[in-house]
Amino acid sequence: DAMVIQNPRYQVTQFGKPVTLSCSQTLNHNVMYWYQQKSSQAPKLLFHYYDKDFNNEADTPDNFQSRRPNTSFCFLDIRSPGLGDAAMYLCATSRDNYRFNEQYFGPGTRLTVT
Amino acid sequence: AQKITQTQPGMFVQEKEAVTLDCTYDTSDQSYGLFWYKQPSSGEMIFLIYQGSYDEQNATEGRYSLNFQKARKSANLVISASQLGDSAMYFCAMREKNSGGSNYKLTFGKGTLLTVNP
Repeated sequence: DAMVIQNPRYQVTQFGKPVTLSCSQTLNHNVMYWYQQKSSQAPKLLFHYYDKDFNNEADTPDNFQSRRPNTSFCFLDIRSPGLGDAAMYLCATSRDNYRFNEQYFGPGTRLTVT
Repeated sequence: AQKITQTQPGMFVQEKEAVTLDCTYDTSDQSYGLFWYKQPSSGEMIFLIYQGSYDEQNATEGRYSLNFQKARKSANLVISASQLGDSAMYFCAMREKNSGGSNYKLTFGKGTLLTVNP
């Protein structure tokens, strides 16, 4: 009964070659988040969507973009991956994002940049 | 700026014993929320427990309890009767306003790697 699904689980891309990671949810939640988690570090929020409203964190590089074509799907696009972008990318959802916003996480996509 | 501090990079505990994972936080907000998540080696973040700043009683969920000391700004996680499957990374997180100030987000501590020994 997967609720937040991320594909692929492992992704290898070349330096500078655009890559897209996908996330889907069966929870019908309003909010979808993308986090970057580098090795042995805490997850860091890149951006989130509240419905169609896109909210970018101030320190998220322009190299990272996102699309949410409908409630169920959200994509993370890395336009020109660098070696420093190798990380685990976590997608999460919540019903809303105020007060108690328990977030449901997917299994993550581990990105390798060669 | 708000932040979360987890001072224990790694902890060891014997199976069936209790363990406390430390978390302190810094905020000037009166209303805030504190969360604990578990991250096994598979990578998925699993929600464990939540404590609201106005909750008078410490939160409990099965074998997990949160020792909330508001004046000291600490929210330690207590795991009772540890099991081998509890071996994982544990993150403390706090709800805070995002950089635009219009929505809330979670800010995570650096985590504590718990190893349960048989």
